Amino acid sequence: GENVEQHPSTLSVQEGDSAVIKCTYSDSASNYFPWYKQELGKRPQLIIDIRSNVGEKKDQRIAVTLNKTAKHFSLHITETQPEDSAVYFCAARPTGGYNKLIFGAGTRLAVHP
Amino acid sequence: ETGVTQTPRHLVMGMTNKKSLKCEQHLGHNAMYWYKQSAKKPLELMFVYNFKEQTENNSVPSRFSPECPNSSHLFLHLHTLQPEDSALYLCASSPSSGPEGNEQFFGPGTRLTVL
Repeated sequence: GENVEQHPSTLSVQEGDSAVIKCTYSDSASNYFPWYKQELGKRPQLIIDIRSNVGEKKDQRIAVTLNKTAKHFSLHITETQPEDSAVYFCAARPTGGYNKLIFGAGTRLAVHP
Repeated sequence: ETGVTQTPRHLVMGMTNKKSLKCEQHLGHNAMYWYKQSAKKPLELMFVYNFKEQTENNSVPSRFSPECPNSSHLFLHLHTLQPEDSALYLCASSPSSGPEGNEQFFGPGTRLTVL
């Protein structure tokens, strides 16, 4: 079945720096890749997603890139702010008829003022 | 309340107890999900329901029994749990469960402790 690896498990940056989180997936037919942010004690919330027919997507300070050949996708956060501190999860939707998501283990991002 | 709600928010139970977790979505979605979130582990999908029908059971032990009476409500019945079942149980919903994939909206979770 589908497997999603996420790195790094923890990431510490200074405010204003960029942060990059990387994920790899095993099912080459996966077609949907969302990123969720989970602040401490809160529910996961979608921050950006990308489909397999697109190589890059941007939303203000957040961007996601997808390399289908290498089966990896990355989250880029520029000009980080303390409120970006959270756990970030990548996910991939494997083949099949239903909206099943396989999640990575998560990256704990700390942005220091 | 809007979005996805879950009750109770916290639950402590003994291994011989029977309890139920409830999830309700007010978004008009057709698909609902149960996830288990443990420390140091990825979010684990447990069950998927589409239009009240179970479409995924991710090898979940029978001590967890889901019920979906309609597209807005989802229950997880718990019986004879083990301490290792202690975790945050998250419910989610999505507009549909088609081949393209789409956003899942999560509830706040139920923090379960099994003594």
